[in-house]
Amino acid sequence: SAVISQKPSRDICQRGTSLTIQCQVDSQVTMMFWYRQQPGQSLTLIATANQGSEATYESGFVIDKFPISRPNLTFSTLTVSNMSPEDSSIYLCSVGLLGGGYGETQYFGPGTRLLVL
Amino acid sequence: TQLLEQSPQFLSIQEGENLTVYCNSSSVFSSLQWYRQEPGEGPVLLVTVVTGGEVKKLKRLTFQFGDARKDSSLHITAAQPGDTGLYLCAVASYNTDKLIFGTGTRLQVFP
Repeated sequence: SAVISQKPSRDICQRGTSLTIQCQVDSQVTMMFWYRQQPGQSLTLIATANQGSEATYESGFVIDKFPISRPNLTFSTLTVSNMSPEDSSIYLCSVGLLGGGYGETQYFGPGTRLLVL
Repeated sequence: TQLLEQSPQFLSIQEGENLTVYCNSSSVFSSLQWYRQEPGEGPVLLVTVVTGGEVKKLKRLTFQFGDARKDSSLHITAAQPGDTGLYLCAVASYNTDKLIFGTGTRLQVFP
């Protein structure tokens, strides 16, 4: 298994500002993912954070709005840029340990609760 | 249109009752996972089912994968307040590690 921590755990931000969320894993992992969970909803994949190359974004998410860094195999950041109230969500990072297992277990961080006023 | 539709969306029951949650799709999957998310936490894997018709039991939880591998169910016997949470089915996007989550079922068990 993997132990994943996220910072901050929660934040309240003003519209137009940006917030960077950090995800730290206790072991080296190949696959890291960022999800958004809007209030009362399920999880939607934002992007796959690739080490050493640009993140791979899902439909509806763009790099200018959600820039992602992955400097090494244990750490990633997600920035929510130019925030609006619609960005109020829980943001979760997850990791896959085996790096290619179809249907492999993913381990999730506790999430970052963001409220944009 | 959601790839994975879960029903019911919400469920509020008394301790000791039984319940079933469904996860349905028109697509065929090689495997399907069930996760539970408690308030303030990330989702945690409960089970992975891989064979059509497969039944797996985890204490009071029984998971079944449909014969055609298009749907799955989760049955909880004698629900307890500790079962409260968001139940999510998920499948891996074809030939990738990306997970696609169902719409979710929010369960509240009252003592």
